[in-house]
Amino acid sequence: EAAVTQSPRNKVTVTGGNVTLSCRQTNSHNYMYWYRQDTGHGLRLIHYSYGAGNLQIGDVPDGYKATRTTQEDFFLLLELASPSQTSLYFCASSLYANSDYTFGSGTRLLVI
Amino acid sequence: SQWGEENLQALSIQEGEDVTMNCSYKTYTTVVQWYRQKSGKGPAQLILIRSNEREKRSGRLRATLDTSSQSSSLSITGTLATDTAVYFCATDALASGSWQLIFGSGTQLTVMP
Repeated sequence: EAAVTQSPRNKVTVTGGNVTLSCRQTNSHNYMYWYRQDTGHGLRLIHYSYGAGNLQIGDVPDGYKATRTTQEDFFLLLELASPSQTSLYFCASSLYANSDYTFGSGTRLLVI
Repeated sequence: SQWGEENLQALSIQEGEDVTMNCSYKTYTTVVQWYRQKSGKGPAQLILIRSNEREKRSGRLRATLDTSSQSSSLSITGTLATDTAVYFCATDALASGSWQLIFGSGTQLTVMP
């Protein structure tokens, strides 16, 4: 079954810490996305990619880096975490930019 | 923002009732997708309706699209308590130089048993 798997499910880090969120998809999809979800803001796109080695900037990219190492794997990096980055992060994949998205179960990040 | 204000809603109904959720969007789109997000889970797609379609059904779900008024609706008939979730409308839009799927803020639907 096609799936998007995120790890870790929960993460606590200190301000200024280094965090990497991982995402793997087994859908053979071209596109992968990182979103954050906050109350009152819905889903906001951080970065996305349409293939290995490609990276596109989303709507709220400040403070985040991302890397697409393979067709399957997409990572989100917070190199100097701040409390404002406390959020629920979702990874998603899609075959085309406007086809259906498959989401992972999310990573809850707390920056203290 | 891509979205009209009617997207920011919460609805509470009794099990068995029918419900319709609406969204309006501001720019041209080729598809409207409806997603459901249950507590503690990621969003899951329910229906995709293309700009050349007016209506699409899937089980108890019915989506409509009116491109002239730039609005879409999702109806659920015979709701169940398990339909309790946040429902998102999403459209593709040109943003930052490429096409992206833009999500509305969602409608919190609570179905009471």
